[in-house]
Amino acid sequence: DTAVSQTPKYLVTQMGNDKSIKCEQNLGHDTMYWYKQDSKKFLKIMFSYNNKELIINETVPNRFSPKSPDKAHLNLHINSLELGDSAVYFCASSPRRDRSPLHFGNGTRLTVT
Amino acid sequence: DQQVKQNSPSLSVQEGRISILNCDYTNSMFDYFLWYKKYPAEGPTFLISISSIKDKNEDGRFTVFLNKSAKHLSLHIVPSQPGDSAVYFCAGSQGGSEKLVFGKGTKLTVNP
Repeated sequence: DTAVSQTPKYLVTQMGNDKSIKCEQNLGHDTMYWYKQDSKKFLKIMFSYNNKELIINETVPNRFSPKSPDKAHLNLHINSLELGDSAVYFCASSPRRDRSPLHFGNGTRLTVT
Repeated sequence: DQQVKQNSPSLSVQEGRISILNCDYTNSMFDYFLWYKKYPAEGPTFLISISSIKDKNEDGRFTVFLNKSAKHLSLHIVPSQPGDSAVYFCAGSQGGSEKLVFGKGTKLTVNP
């Protein structure tokens, strides 16, 4: 049973398109996150949600819109994709909004051509 | 602005020997640190953490040391095993925040 699952694993698309990445966790955690690992290998937080409520929104372009229909799901929609959006996107969850260790999904490798 | 720096992109050690992975941070407000391990095509998995009120935390073969005055932490793996071959990320946070700032990672290769 995968604890944090992301789909798709790979996503190749052209500039200007709109795409979504889905994330689901079956751990019963309250808090979910999106992290981005860019070409320089840094893992940077983008968003966090706690019980469907947006908590952290780092300086991410408005083209990125997270949506949490319930606390087990956090999807990421990206409009008007740009070359610089190419990266690996990781979803993660934690039991609550504290320093509990994160449980990461296996990532979605997005390639924009 | 790299608040967490892992200056060695890679490290190679022999099986059975000690692996020492280093991490430096610039944000003096960081008071909690974690190490994550990542295998190819998988997400990072939590390894060990340390609060700034401690200078050492141990869990089996893994020990993390924190030197606050030097803003430096290190992860020791003894003895190293081939299955430890992975990328190791150091991360810090401040003020009870769940927001983690990660380093770029160090790729550890343990040779049989």
